[in-house]
Parts: sequence; C-alpha cells; structure tokens
Amino acid sequence: DTAVSQTPKYLVTQMGNDKSIKCEQNLGHDTMYWYKQDSKKFLKIMFSYNNKELIINETVPNRFSPKSPDKAHLNLHINSLELGDSAVYFCASGPGTYNYGYTFGSGTRLTVV
Amino acid sequence: AQSVTQLGSHVSVSEGALVLLRCNYSSSVPPYLFWYVQYPNQGLQLLLKYTSAATLVKGINGFEAEFKKSETSFHLTKPSAHMSDAAEYFCAVTRLNQGGKLIFGQGTELSVKP
Repeated sequence: DTAVSQTPKYLVTQMGNDKSIKCEQNLGHDTMYWYKQDSKKFLKIMFSYNNKELIINETVPNRFSPKSPDKAHLNLHINSLELGDSAVYFCASGPGTYNYGYTFGSGTRLTVV
Repeated sequence: AQSVTQLGSHVSVSEGALVLLRCNYSSSVPPYLFWYVQYPNQGLQLLLKYTSAATLVKGINGFEAEFKKSETSFHLTKPSAHMSDAAEYFCAVTRLNQGGKLIFGQGTELSVKP
C-alpha cells in the first residue's frame, strides 16, 4: 500500500484548461502539504492543511485552489493553466504542524503546452 | 528569515570514496534540519533529521550528518559511496511555529563513478 499516493502521475494539457491533482494518504497523519518543484529542481511550499483547515497559503496565484474533504485527502485544482505552471507537484503528509520529517508522494509532472 | 545554501550543485565521487554534501543554514532561532534524497522520477525520501537532540545524526543507507551551530552547517556524509547513492540530495530547514513548512536548498546532484 502506497503511503501517499498522487494521481495522475503525468498530466499534459493545453494553456487555459482547468485540471485537478488528487492526493491521498493512509498514514493517519493530520497535516498535508503541496510543494512545487520547478525545472531547476527547486522545491517550494504552496499550501498546507491541518485536519481540513488551511494553515499555510504561500502567495500562490488564486488560480490554484486546494481542497481537503477530509484529513486523508488534499486535492489541488488549477484554473486557466499557464505555461509557467509546468512543474512537478508533490503532495506530502506529516503527523502534525510541527515537523519531524514528512512523507512525500511520488509527484505529478504537469506539462502545459 | 530562514534559508538554506547547498554548496555545489553537482558532486562526483568514485565508488567506495567518501561522500560529503555541504549544507549551511541561516536561522534566527534553533532550527530543525533535514536531508532528503530524490531518485529519478520519484518523490523525496527522508534520510535523516536534526531536532535539537544529538548533534551527530545517523540516517538510512549509511548516511550521517553533524549539526555544527558555530559553523551554521549540517553537512551530509557517507564513508563509502555506492552506485545506488546516485541521486539528488536536498537539505531543508524549519522551526517551531512554522506549521511544518520546509525551506529547501537548491539541491546537490551526486554522481558515483565505477
């Protein structure tokens, strides 16, 4: 059983489209995160949720909207996709808002053409 | 503000040689420090973490790191490189009351030559 699973693994779409990435964790963790890894492999946090409540929103464009229906799921919806949104998006989960090292999913490679 | 600097975007060693990946941090309060490894087309895996206990931290796959406050460093070492160690390595920092937010360094790609 995968601890943190993301779908889809690859996503190719045209500019202007709306797409969603789903994330699920079966670790019983309270906190989930979205990170973006750009083409230079730089990782930056986008959002975090603790037990369905938004904790961190890191100056991400409004086109990005996270949704957490329950503490095991954190989805990322992106409206009006732009070329600059092309990146690898990682979901992660941790046992709390203090950080003792969390578990990452395998990533979703988004390519906007 | 916190930051992390990894010296050297690419490090190449021979199999069996010492691995040394450098990380320096900037933090106004005691930090929590981490090393993650990313294999091609995979997510990040936690190698080890420093959370204000012992300054010498042992991790998985034979890696260890030493927290040196005077040098604001947290370098990653492994006595003998293996071909399977070839990957991207990331140093990261956080502190209490940051909601678990990790700030990553820019990464160091480790190559291992036969």
